[in-house]
Amino acid sequence: EDQVTQSPEALRLQEGESSSLNCSYTVSGLRGLFWYRQDPGKGPEFLFTLYSAGEEKEKERLKATLTKKESFLHITAPKPEDSATYLCAVQAAGSARQLTFGSGTQLTVLP
Amino acid sequence: DAGVIQSPRHEVTEMGQEVTLRCKPISGHNSLFWYRQTMMRGLELLIYFNNNVPIDDSGMPEDRFSAKMPNASFSTLKIQPSEPRDSAVYFCATSQGARVETQYFGPGTRLLVL
Repeated sequence: EDQVTQSPEALRLQEGESSSLNCSYTVSGLRGLFWYRQDPGKGPEFLFTLYSAGEEKEKERLKATLTKKESFLHITAPKPEDSATYLCAVQAAGSARQLTFGSGTQLTVLP
Repeated sequence: DAGVIQSPRHEVTEMGQEVTLRCKPISGHNSLFWYRQTMMRGLELLIYFNNNVPIDDSGMPEDRFSAKMPNASFSTLKIQPSEPRDSAVYFCATSQGARVETQYFGPGTRLLVL
């Protein structure tokens, strides 16, 4: 069974204080790993897809990296508007279009 | 584009009542997914459709849950009878073709069963 574990569950940072969120996964053949952002009262919003170990993607203050067992979402010099829940999901090879989601990391960036 | 439209946004009902949640996908998207999100279990896939045909409903928790997609513009998720443990936020998401990473989520329906 595919499993995704995210840590920490919650993270509070001061504005400008860089940090990383972790996503550990167990999957029978990784087809893709996805990061989403979810704001309160809204649906998840797609951020990145990573397909193979060593791959990196960047968007503004966010950078996602992937190894064979985990992915990191690095947040550089965060701002209050980066506050949200960040979800990680995996798609297993042969699973068509199904995603298995982690429980998320709730990030709060204080001004 | 208006995005994925879900209705109602909030639903409060009593145990035993029938609940129907509705979703209008983004025009041109041929895959549709129903998810349930709770604090305890996170975001879970319930069922997904491709070209209006249910492909995998293994995530549907019980026979009390049913989903239909009569045409490319509309889908429903029905719970009959509803129970308090069904309380959750239900999301509909759609994508075009095989690009699962670009699933666009609707705003969700927050369901409370008393």
